[in-house]
Amino acid sequence: DIQMTQSPSSLSASVGDRVTITCRASQSIGSYLNWYQQKPGKAPKLLIYAASSLESGVPSRFSGSGSGTDFTLTITSLQPEDFATYSCQQSYSSPTFGPGTKVDIK
Amino acid sequence: QVQLVQSGAEVKKPGASVKVSCKASGYTFTDYGVSWVRQAPGQGLEWMGWISTYNGNTNIAQNLQGRVTMTADTSTNTVYMELQSLRSDDTALYYCARDYHKAQGAFDFWGQGTVVTVSS
Repeated sequence: DIQMTQSPSSLSASVGDRVTITCRASQSIGSYLNWYQQKPGKAPKLLIYAASSLESGVPSRFSGSGSGTDFTLTITSLQPEDFATYSCQQSYSSPTFGPGTKVDIK
Repeated sequence: QVQLVQSGAEVKKPGASVKVSCKASGYTFTDYGVSWVRQAPGQGLEWMGWISTYNGNTNIAQNLQGRVTMTADTSTNTVYMELQSLRSDDTALYYCARDYHKAQGAFDFWGQGTVVTVSS
């Protein structure tokens, strides 16, 4: 299985901050990388697919980049509704998810 | 609108089996595969397996092979996931999720989740 790691595991930020989360795969996965947002007690929501494509309806402050083994999710101006946990997922082979990054209020 | 509605919470004893359902609506059922993903308390997401709603083919995660069965009923647009020989570490929130047509292996719609608690 391809292992996914994320950093940091958690971060504290303020409204308006720029936030960057990184995700690393244990082997090259091309651009087969997706990002999800999850709030407590709710199902994950797809934000970014194929490393950098913004899902319909997702605000443009979210962006994704990277290829191969290293990927980044960026939120350019954090909004109150963005406090959540963010997980990456590889879809190059049998899907695996990163452990998540919890973004909370500073 | 696309909806995946799952069955209710379950409490089971170790060694028992559980069967969770996921009823789809708002789209052509056989056009999209469905995966099951679980999340243990305070943990990350774990993909359990996938079923083709078109022909019933499955791909089960290696660590769950032999314990998980996935089936699809095209007459009721419902997918089922049965987990046998339950252990305490199977306690989790179980989700069904639909394949995303724009991206291999991504999931665009999810069920609301079903809590499965394994306790003696």
